[in-house]
Amino acid sequence: EVQLVESGGGLVQPGGSLRLSCAVSGFTFNTFPMNWVRQAPGKGLEWISYISTSSSDIQYADSVRGRFTISRDNAKNSLYLQINSLRAEDTAVYYCARGMISDYWGQGTLVTVSS
Amino acid sequence: DIQMTQSPSSVSASVGDRVTITCRASQGISSWLAWYQQKPGKAPKLLIYAASSLQSGVPSRFSGTESGTDFTLTISNLQPEDSATYYCQQAHSFPFTFGQGTKLEI
Repeated sequence: EVQLVESGGGLVQPGGSLRLSCAVSGFTFNTFPMNWVRQAPGKGLEWISYISTSSSDIQYADSVRGRFTISRDNAKNSLYLQINSLRAEDTAVYYCARGMISDYWGQGTLVTVSS
Repeated sequence: DIQMTQSPSSVSASVGDRVTITCRASQGISSWLAWYQQKPGKAPKLLIYAASSLQSGVPSRFSGTESGTDFTLTISNLQPEDSATYYCQQAHSFPFTFGQGTKLEI
């Protein structure tokens, strides 16, 4: 069974940092590119980052470029998102998702940026 | 960036009805389009990929079509469990972009 489990969310002050993790199982992780997608409370879906299988191709949305860093450890079947310089507008549920067309998603982890 | 304009923003229908949701891409995306269903508090679920291919396990009452830069999700024989928000997404070029969403009430 394919599973993606995010962790690392929480309450953080503006300007703070968090590292989100996505642990996967049930498929060969190193053969799938991965995405991070977020959803602010009551809002729509926003794609924020992509990483290829070998990490050779990494892409970001303009809204997070320079503050967020995506990475993966294929040996640990894990995807990461380092988020720095957090702003109130980064408050959202963050999802990891498998594939260019995301066929499997985690349950999401909530990041709340507030003083 | 490619803009995805989705309509309508909301729709109300009855059990057994047919509903159509449309996404228009601001430029050609060569069938790199997916449709997702999201229920409150849940992760999105892939329904359709490559504009018209039905994801495994998704009921056949869901279908997708493509005409140039216009993409349509049709849900036939609506069921109560189809009440959800639906999103289109292009995966042709970065940044990948979603439509604004369509809330379907049954």
